[in-house]
Amino acid sequence: QVQLVQSGAEVRQPGASVKVSCKTSGYSFTASYIHWVRQAPGQGLEWMGWINPNGGGPSSGGTNYAQKFQGRVTMTGDTSISTAYMELNRLTSDDTAVYYCARDFCTTTSCLSPWGQGTLVTVTS
Amino acid sequence: QSALTQPASVSGSPGQSITISCTGTSSYVGSSNLVSWYQHPPGKAPKLMVYEGSKRPSGVSNRFSGSRSGNTASLTISGLQAEDEGVYYCCSYAGYSTWVFGGGTKLTVL
Repeated sequence: QVQLVQSGAEVRQPGASVKVSCKTSGYSFTASYIHWVRQAPGQGLEWMGWINPNGGGPSSGGTNYAQKFQGRVTMTGDTSISTAYMELNRLTSDDTAVYYCARDFCTTTSCLSPWGQGTLVTVTS
Repeated sequence: QSALTQPASVSGSPGQSITISCTGTSSYVGSSNLVSWYQHPPGKAPKLMVYEGSKRPSGVSNRFSGSRSGNTASLTISGLQAEDEGVYYCCSYAGYSTWVFGGGTKLTVL
C-alpha cells in the first residue's frame, strides 16, 4: 500500500535551518505531487507548498510555495530513492510545528492521501 | 489569498447528523471539484474524507458527504458515531497553484 514515512523529530536554534524527509513507497514517486503542510501548537493546518517530483509546474521549476514561505523554503525530491524533502531556513520560534508531507493523487485538484506521520520541529534557544 | 471560514466547533449526539460549513472569500470554494475535507484525530495524521467536493476515497463511510452552495462548501456527517470526533478541515484552491485550509472545526460527539 502507499506509505509516506517521515524523518524524526528535530530541535534547532533560532536562525538555523531544518530539512525534513518524506520517504514514499507503494506507488510511482514521479506520478504524484507531494504537498507539505504544518500545524503549530494549538493552531490549524497550514499549507506550505508542493513539489512535482517529475518536474514541471509553475515556471517549470516543479515547485510552488505559499507566499508566506517564499524565499525561506525549498522543496526537493530524489527520484532514485523516492524521497521528498522540505528545507526551511532562518527558523524562528513561530516555526515550531509538526510538519506533514502528503501525496496528492488527483491531477486537476488537490486530494491529499495518505499523509506522513508528521515530524515535530522545535525551535528553541 | 483566499480565506476559508469554518465554525470553531459543532456537536451532536450519536445517531444525529451535523453539518460543517466552509465559506470562502473567493469563488473557488463554490467550484465543486476544488474543495476537499480532512479529519484530524488528536495525535494522528490527517485523513482525507471527501475530495472534489463530494467524492469519497475508498474506505470512507458513506455517512460522510460533501456539497456546496454559492461560496460555501459543506461536510455532512450522518449517523454520528463516537469515532467521528476530531477536528475537520476544509481545503480549497486559492489561485496561482496554491491551496488554503480553513481554520478547522472541532466535532464533539455528546
